[in-house]
Amino acid sequence: SQQGEEDPQALSIQEGENATMNCSYKTSINNLQWYRQNSGRGLVHLILIRSNEREKHSGRLRVTLDTSKKSSSLLITASRAADTASYFCATVVDSNYQLIWGAGTKLIIKP
Amino acid sequence: EPEVTQTPSHQVTQMGQEVILRCVPISNHLYFYWYRQILGQKVEFLVSFYNNEISEKSEIFDDQFSVERPDGSNFTLKIRSTKLEDSAMYFCASGLALYNEQFFGPGTRLTVL
Repeated sequence: SQQGEEDPQALSIQEGENATMNCSYKTSINNLQWYRQNSGRGLVHLILIRSNEREKHSGRLRVTLDTSKKSSSLLITASRAADTASYFCATVVDSNYQLIWGAGTKLIIKP
Repeated sequence: EPEVTQTPSHQVTQMGQEVILRCVPISNHLYFYWYRQILGQKVEFLVSFYNNEISEKSEIFDDQFSVERPDGSNFTLKIRSTKLEDSAMYFCASGLALYNEQFFGPGTRLTVL
């Protein structure tokens, strides 16, 4: 079943602007994680937010979680060319081990 | 900073051949995972491994697949008889505890001809 779905599928912005990506999911979760992937390479862990948390920050990243709407957002502030990548949300449900992945948002930062 | 490593980075094999993909998880981690990503598609879970046994597996992980932790550092995925549709990027991941972050290796690109 599809758990995480990102929106938009693709986003192109100017360097220096903020980028916001959204993720929706269907079932109750234990936590939600955001990952970055550059051009089909490895998956880099960005941030984990638990179901009892509403917001987390890490550097230029801000993640929010709304469990009532079953949605999360990832905000990247002051974007840089190096932020160009695909961004994925992945969820873990209680009593399971696996990450269930969305299809990702492809972010392009124009210099 | 400790990281997950995987070898080889690219493996080409003939259909029907056996392949073994190797991973060295982060040393103090206890939970180990394999995922795969077919080109242009979502990342898919294959299997998780904890306390020397499979803790969860997906429908993809059928009898052709097996995992092993032969020593204290390596974690391997074996595909017994590869099919064309097994062509994908295979990622190993490890985590310190259940419901914690999963850290991924750089992946092995498997091409089945």
